[in-house]
Order: sequence, then C-alpha cells, then structure tokens
Amino acid sequence: AQTVTQSQPEMSVQEAETVTLSCTYDTSESDYYLFWYKQPPSRQMILVIRQEAYKQQNATENRFSVNFQKAAKSFSLKISDSQLGDAAMYFCAYRSALTGNTGKLIFGQGTTLQVKP
Amino acid sequence: EPEVTQTPSHQVTQMGQEVILRCVPISNHLYFYWYRQILGQKVEFLVSFYNNEISEKSEIFDDQFSVERPDGSNFTLKIRSTKLEDSAMYFCASSSALYAQETQYFGPGTRLLVL
Repeated sequence: AQTVTQSQPEMSVQEAETVTLSCTYDTSESDYYLFWYKQPPSRQMILVIRQEAYKQQNATENRFSVNFQKAAKSFSLKISDSQLGDAAMYFCAYRSALTGNTGKLIFGQGTTLQVKP
Repeated sequence: EPEVTQTPSHQVTQMGQEVILRCVPISNHLYFYWYRQILGQKVEFLVSFYNNEISEKSEIFDDQFSVERPDGSNFTLKIRSTKLEDSAMYFCASSSALYAQETQYFGPGTRLLVL
C-alpha cells in the first residue's frame, strides 16, 4: 500500500522569504502523480501544483515549485517570496496512474505554514 | 468559478443516530469522492463513486456507510448509526475525468461531532 509522510507538522517563514515543505512517499508503482494541496483556515482544499512521475522536469506554478526526487521518493514544495495569503495547511498527496485506478488520493498528515509579517 | 458545496457545515449528533452529509459537486463532473479527516490526523479516502456505483471503498467504509446520488446534483454520504469515532471533518470532492490533468475539486467540509 502507498503511504505519504509529511514530517513537519508546522513551519513558519518570514514574508518575502522562501520556505520548503517536505514530503516523502512510499510506493512500488512506477507511474503515479503527486500533488500539493493548500487548505486555508475554514476553506476548501485547492490544488497548488501537480507532478507526473514520468516527467523528470520539476513542476512550477508561479512562486510554487517542487523538487521531485523519484529515486529517493521525495517531493518537496518550495514557496518563494512568501505572502501572508500563503498561510494555510499544506497537504502532499499521491495518486496511482495504473489502469483501473479510481482517482483516490492518499494524503500526508499536513504541514501548517505560518507566514510572519 | 464553479465550486463544490457541502451542507451542513457543522453537525452535532448523538451516538447511534443517522446522519446524512450532503454535497453538490461541480455540475459537469462525473467522479465523486468522500474523504474524512479526524482532528489532528491525515485526510483519509473513504469512497469513490462513478456511473451511479461505488468504484472503490476503503476499509473504513464499512456497512454503516453508504453513498448515493439521488438526483442529478446531490451526492450524499449516510452514516447509519454514528459512533464516537466518526467525529471528523468530511470532505466531498469531484472531478470531470480520471486524467491527472483533471483536478479533484474539494468542498469546504462538514464537521461532524458525535456525542
């Protein structure tokens, strides 16, 4: 069974600085997808960034980028130029790409990010 | 932008009572999911639903749970006889397809408290 681990329950960053959130996962599958979701307080989770395992190039979305290390099964999220609106719980998630998969996401425990003005 | 909505936002119930959590997925979506998050723990998959039937369920999703799409818009999760350990935040999600390019959109959640 696949597992996702986020070892940092809480992180903080100064506004305008850069922060990296860690995520590791375990799987025997070779093809899968990885995601970072953001959950602001009392609001729904929204997708921040996705990475297809077959792609060597790290995904980027504006100030958000990932460091995907397939061999190490590591998928960290880097937030550059942190803004107050980035304060939220961040979840790392895994999804199988196998034929017949139902799209279920397997989540890590989450990391609460605090942004200090 | 279309959103997944859930009602109620909070529900308090007595142990042994039945609860129905309601979700309205995005209108053209075909794949529906329920997840839950017990306080302080990770978000866990409960069930996926497609073409009016369950496509996958977790071991958490026992006989006390059921899902239904009673009409063209609602997607419900029923807990037949609630237990204390069912207290959690329940999230509904939907997507238009299974491709990775298709985002799974989440609702704001229903916080269920079983007393």
